[in-house]
Amino acid sequence: GESVGLHLPTLSVQEGDNSIINCAYSNSASDYFIWYKQESGKGPQFIIDIRSNMDKRQGQRVTVLLNKTVKHLSLQIAATQPGDSAVYFCAELTQGGSEKLVFGKGTKLTVNP
Amino acid sequence: EAGVTQFPSHSVIEKGQTVTLRCDPISGHDNLYWYRRVMGKEIKFLLHFVKESKQDESGMPNNRFLAERTGGTYSTLKVQPAELEDSGVYFCASSQVFVGGSGANVLTFGAGSRLTVL
Repeated sequence: GESVGLHLPTLSVQEGDNSIINCAYSNSASDYFIWYKQESGKGPQFIIDIRSNMDKRQGQRVTVLLNKTVKHLSLQIAATQPGDSAVYFCAELTQGGSEKLVFGKGTKLTVNP
Repeated sequence: EAGVTQFPSHSVIEKGQTVTLRCDPISGHDNLYWYRRVMGKEIKFLLHFVKESKQDESGMPNNRFLAERTGGTYSTLKVQPAELEDSGVYFCASSQVFVGGSGANVLTFGAGSRLTVL
């Protein structure tokens, strides 16, 4: 069935280091992928997205990499800050199909000062 | 503009009781979605409204869950009777256009309603 999974449930990094959060997906028909950040007491917040015709997309301090061959998605956060501490979810969607996002379990990122 | 508002923020009820969660989407957003995150697991889709019509309710777990959106404005999600496994955080999201066509940055989530069933 469709699933989006995470390799690590928790990740702890030092402030200033780079963080890499990984995600595996199983639906080869998915063609649109999103990373969300969820802070305590708040809903998921859009960070960055990537479509399947790309393998890399950069935002402000964040980069998403997509490897369709192995169905792997990653989120890289440069110079991680305490404010980056949150749970990060990847999600996938098949454009033109159902509107439902399929989320992974999430990775809790803790940034140590 | 005001964001997506959910009420209550936290509800604690006994098994077998009824709870109704409410979502006020962003004004003018025809699309309204319900998702939930059971403790420690992934966020799962429940259903999608377009105005007052249920576009997709494939994620509704069973007939103890009833979602409505009368008038196409706010939506309610009722759980009756509640079971222990219903505990989790219920998120509502809204968008003016389809996410699949426009991108997920058009989708706004509420802060969620945490449900605890004892």
